[in-house]
Amino acid sequence: KQEVTQIPAALSVPEGENLVLNCSFTDSAIYNLQWFRQDPGKGLTSLLLIQSSQREQTSGRLNASLDKSSGRSTLYIAASQPGDSATYLCAANRDDKIIFGKGTRLHILP
Amino acid sequence: NAGVTQTPKFQVLKTGQSMTLQCAQDMNHEYMSWYRQDPGMGLRLIHYSVGAGITDQGEVPNGYNVSRSTTEDFPLRLLSAAPSQTSVYFCASSRKPGQGLYGYTFGSGTRLTVV
Repeated sequence: KQEVTQIPAALSVPEGENLVLNCSFTDSAIYNLQWFRQDPGKGLTSLLLIQSSQREQTSGRLNASLDKSSGRSTLYIAASQPGDSATYLCAANRDDKIIFGKGTRLHILP
Repeated sequence: NAGVTQTPKFQVLKTGQSMTLQCAQDMNHEYMSWYRQDPGMGLRLIHYSVGAGITDQGEVPNGYNVSRSTTEDFPLRLLSAAPSQTSVYFCASSRKPGQGLYGYTFGSGTRLTVV
């Protein structure tokens, strides 16, 4: 059974800092790994999708890496801004379903 | 705009009532899923479907029914609402692996309160 864990559960950092969010999964037989952002009371917005054959994906200030053999993914946010405050969720996609971690609640201090 | 549409956005039910949460996608995605999100529990899979006429149970299926008569629609039925079903419900869809970019798209959610 696939289990996805995100550490830390919550994180507060001053504006401008670079930060890393961690995601681990127990079953390495995944098709891809997807990172989402969720603002309070809102739905999920897809940030980055890393296919199983890829090592990383970049979008603007965001960079996600994937190491299937160790069952880990990281989301790197450069030069953090108050608008980055949200909950970040990683999800492991295995064929017909997607399994989520519980998320990291990020607060960027102005 | 193309995407996943969920209705209603908000709903209040009395214990014992039944209702259907609607989900429709216009991207011709084969895979569709329903999740519930509760504080401290994250997103948990209720039911999922890999195509019209095919459904299967997820992690927390009790108290919910689904059917998939068309590719576009995947309604979730609450048979007899209970306060424990108070939650935010999300519907998601995706292509099959290997058919273009494979990733999940989510609806905006239905906030359900059972009193």
